[in-house]
Parts: sequence; C-alpha cells; structure tokens
Amino acid sequence: GEQVEQRPPHLSVREGDSAVITCTYTDPNSYYFFWYKQEPGASLQLLMKVFSSTEINEGQGFTVLLNKKDKRLSLNLTAAHPGDSAAYFCAVSGEGNRIFFGDGTQLVVKP
Amino acid sequence: GGIITQTPKFLIGQEGQKLTLKCQQNFNHDTMYWYRQDSGKGLRLIYYSITENDLQKGDLSEGYDASREKKSSFSLTVTSAQKNEMAVFLCASSPDWGNQDTQYFGPGTRLLVL
Repeated sequence: GEQVEQRPPHLSVREGDSAVITCTYTDPNSYYFFWYKQEPGASLQLLMKVFSSTEINEGQGFTVLLNKKDKRLSLNLTAAHPGDSAAYFCAVSGEGNRIFFGDGTQLVVKP
Repeated sequence: GGIITQTPKFLIGQEGQKLTLKCQQNFNHDTMYWYRQDSGKGLRLIYYSITENDLQKGDLSEGYDASREKKSSFSLTVTSAQKNEMAVFLCASSPDWGNQDTQYFGPGTRLLVL
C-alpha cells in the first residue's frame, strides 16, 4: 500500500525564517494531497487540499509544492512566526479509497 | 459549518478494563473514522464506517470494537486496556467515502492506562 515518509520530525526556526516540511510517497496514482496543522491540545485543522493537476499552491503565508515526478509534496512556510508553532501532517490518497498520513513534523518558531 | 464532539476528553483506565470513547458529528457526513495517534507518530486508522450501519476494520483494529449507532455518532471500545498505554484517539468525519474527501477531526480523547 501507500507509504508516506515525512521529514523532518522536528524543526526549529527563528521568527521570519522559512520552514520547509517534505513528504515523499510511493503510489504514482495518488491524486489528492492534504496538509493539516495541529496546535497543542487541539485537533487537526486542514491547511490545504491539493490536486495532482496543480504543482504550485499558494496559501496565506505558505506555499505547497507538488513534484509528481519525484513523488514529493512540500509545505513551505515563508516568514514563519510563533503562531505557526504546531505539528504539521501531510496526507496522501492511495489505494482502496484510503488516505495515508505522514508521521508529522513538530515545528517550533522562536521569537 | 459543523462540529465534532468527542467524550470524554481525558480517560484514565486500569489494565484489562473495557473503555468506551464516543464521537458525535453534526456535519451530516456519511463517513466516520477512528484514528490512534501516538506521540511522534502519524495517525493510524482503527475503524471506519462508510455509512450508517456499516463498519470496516482499519490497520489497527485488533484490540478494539466499534459501533455506528446512528449517522451522527460513532463509538470506539478498547476491549482490554494495556498497562502503561498512552495515546490520543481522534474521531473524524467526511462527507462521503472517498480519498478525495477532506476529513474533519474532533479534539481527541487522551487515554492513560495505569
């Protein structure tokens, strides 16, 4: 089945720096991709849903890039601020109509 | 909009105990899920229910039972709690069964077994 590898597991950056989280997946037929944010003690909130037809997806303060050739999905937070400190999870559609999650990245943004 | 409610928020159990976690959603979604989240790990699917009266095993169903009592509610039972077990159980729902559908998550139930 689909394997999703998320890196890095922990990331610490200074306020104003960029932060990049990457997921690689194995199923070449994956078509839907998701990024979720989980603040401490809270539930997962959808950041963005991406379709395989779109390689560059702009959000508020972040960009999601999809490289289908390399089967790589990345979340790029530009000019991170302390409010971005959270766990981030990617999720990738796979066989059996299932969605498969990465292990998460714990991001800390220091003032 | 809608909301997913999970009860209880915290659950402390004893080894061998049967424990039940509850989930309610008012999105009117067809599909509901139970995931287990361990520290530093991703979400692992325990059970899901495509529609009312349906029940499907996920990757981690051993040691658990589930019940979709009605469209809006989905319960999970830990059949025999394991000593020192500590995890967060997340309930989610989606409009339909399909990997194109966004899943909406509840706040979680934090389990600690003494």
